This record gives sequence, structure tokens and C-alpha cells, in this order.
Amino acid sequence: EVKLLESGGGLVQPGGSLKLSCAASGFDFSRYWMSWVRQAPGKGLEWIGEINPDGTTINYTPSLKDKFIISRDNAKNTLNLQMSKVTSEDTALYYCARRGVWFAYWGQGTLVTVSA
Amino acid sequence: DVLMTQTPFSLPVSLGDQASISCRSSQSFVHSNGDTYLEWYLQKPGQSPKLLIYKVSNRFSGVPDRFSGSGSGTDFTLKISRVEAEDLGVYYCFQGSHFPFTFGSGTKLEIK
Repeated sequence: EVKLLESGGGLVQPGGSLKLSCAASGFDFSRYWMSWVRQAPGKGLEWIGEINPDGTTINYTPSLKDKFIISRDNAKNTLNLQMSKVTSEDTALYYCARRGVWFAYWGQGTLVTVSA
Repeated sequence: DVLMTQTPFSLPVSLGDQASISCRSSQSFVHSNGDTYLEWYLQKPGQSPKLLIYKVSNRFSGVPDRFSGSGSGTDFTLKISRVEAEDLGVYYCFQGSHFPFTFGSGTKLEIK
């Protein structure tokens, strides 16, 4: 069974940093593109970016490219999202999703709240 | 960026009715391989989104055949024949052909 479990969310101060992780199981993690998607409270879905199977190609939505870094550790079956210079606009539920060529599997999300 | 515009914002329906959701893109987004990666997702309250349709008109595994997708170019539609209570939630279209990938703003399907 495919499982994606996000962790690392919590309260962070404006201007601060936070690292999110997504633990994958039930499939060969090293063969799949993986994405991060977020959803601000009461709002729609926003694609953050994706990383290819060996971690050598990463694509971001332009507005977040200078703040967020996506990485992966295939030995640990883990996808990461390093967030920096966060603002209140980054308050959201952050999902990881497996993208074969579509998002067939999603985690349950981890909540990030940016507040002083 | 490819802007995805969904209408309506809210869609009140009676159980058993047909529902139709429109998704229009600001430009065509045919991938270099010739495919159009237009997907539809349903997010039920308190849950993660779930894939319904991929590549415009292909139902994902386990999705009931009352869901159908169609369209081409910049105009796409999701239809639900005979709406059931379990279909309620927010529907999103998504283009995964051109970077940055983009979601529509969502359509809330609710009981009339």
C-alpha cells in the first residue's frame, strides 16, 4: 500500500525557517517524481514544485523559487521541503504527492503556521 | 503561467442531477510529447485531494463511470451524471504540461 506521511509542520516566526519531510512507503520511491502542494486555510491548491527521481532536476513555481528548496533522500525514502524567509502567506497545509504522470497519491498534509 | 479558470465557484445540485464544471485555460498546454495533462481532483471536507480524471478524459482506477472528462485546447469540462452524496466537495482542475503547473480555483459541489 502506498503511503505518504508528512511531518515537520508547526508554528514558525515570520522570517524564520522550517524543514518539512515526507516519508514514503509501499512503492519504489527512487523511481518517481515527487511534488509539494500547499493549501492556505479555506483556499485552493497551489503547486509548489517537484523533483525528479534522482534529485537532479527540480522545478518550482516562480514565486517560491527563492524561498523553498526541494530535496530528496532515496536511501531513506524521504522527500524534503526546506522553507526559509517565511511570511504569513506561507501559512498552509503542505502536502506531498507522488506524480507518476498525475497525482495518484497524496499524504494527509502537515500544517505550517507563520505567526509571531 | 497557464491560468486555469473554473466556473462556477459554487454548484448547488439535487441528488440524482447531472453536474457540469468548466475549466478554461489562458493558453493551450499541449505537452511536447503531444499529450494534454489536464486532471480533475476532488477534495472532500477534511481530506486530501483525490484523482478523478487524467489526460482530459481518462478515469482513474476505481472512479465511478458517472464521472467523465472532455475538452481540448483551452476548454475542458467535468461532468457528473446522477450526483450522489459522496460526490460532494471541491473539484479542482489542474494542468501538468507546462511549468509552473497550475490548479484551477475550485468548484464547490453542494446540495441544493
